[in-house]
Amino acid sequence: EVQLVQSGAEVKKPGESLKISCKGSGYSFTTYWIGWVRQMPGKGLEWMGIIYPGDSDTRYSPSFQGQVTISADKSINTAYLQWSSLKASDTAIYYCAKGIWVGATQSPFDYWGQGTLVAVSS
Amino acid sequence: DIQMTQSPSSLSASVGDRVTITCRASQGISNYLAWYQQKPGKVPKLLIYAASTLQSGVPSRFSGSGSGTDFTLTISSLQPEDVATYYCQKYNSAPSITFGQGTRLEIK
Repeated sequence: EVQLVQSGAEVKKPGESLKISCKGSGYSFTTYWIGWVRQMPGKGLEWMGIIYPGDSDTRYSPSFQGQVTISADKSINTAYLQWSSLKASDTAIYYCAKGIWVGATQSPFDYWGQGTLVAVSS
Repeated sequence: DIQMTQSPSSLSASVGDRVTITCRASQGISNYLAWYQQKPGKVPKLLIYAASTLQSGVPSRFSGSGSGTDFTLTISSLQPEDVATYYCQKYNSAPSITFGQGTRLEIK
């Protein structure tokens, strides 16, 4: 069974750093792109970027380039999303999701993590 | 950048109704179009990809059509469990992958 299990909710202060995780199981983790999607409170879905765990090739949405870092550790089947300095506007639910086709960047997401709530407030 | 415009933004229909949601791309995207359903408080779920291919396990009352710039998600007979927000997504070119703004569907 394919599963993506994300790390738990976080409450942080502006300026703090954060790294959240997404652990994949039940499929070949290194051969499917994994993406991150943001959902701000009461808002829609925003595609942030994707990573190919096999070689850590990464593509960022222009809206998120330079704002976050996506990484992966294929030895433990885990992808990460990190911030070096959080802002209140980073408050959102963040989902990881798996691409539907082997090796394809042009891919919808067929399996999703449960989401990680990140709350940033002073 | 190619823009995706979904309509309507919200919709109220009766059980058993045929419901149609539209997604329009500002430029042609072939059939690189997916539809997702997000029920309140839940994780998004892939319904349709490649504009018209039904994802495994999705009820057959859901269907998708279109190519190029105009796409449609149809629910042939609305059920109470279909209350959700529906999103289209273009995926023709990473990293320019975007979601539509969503359509909130309610039961009348």
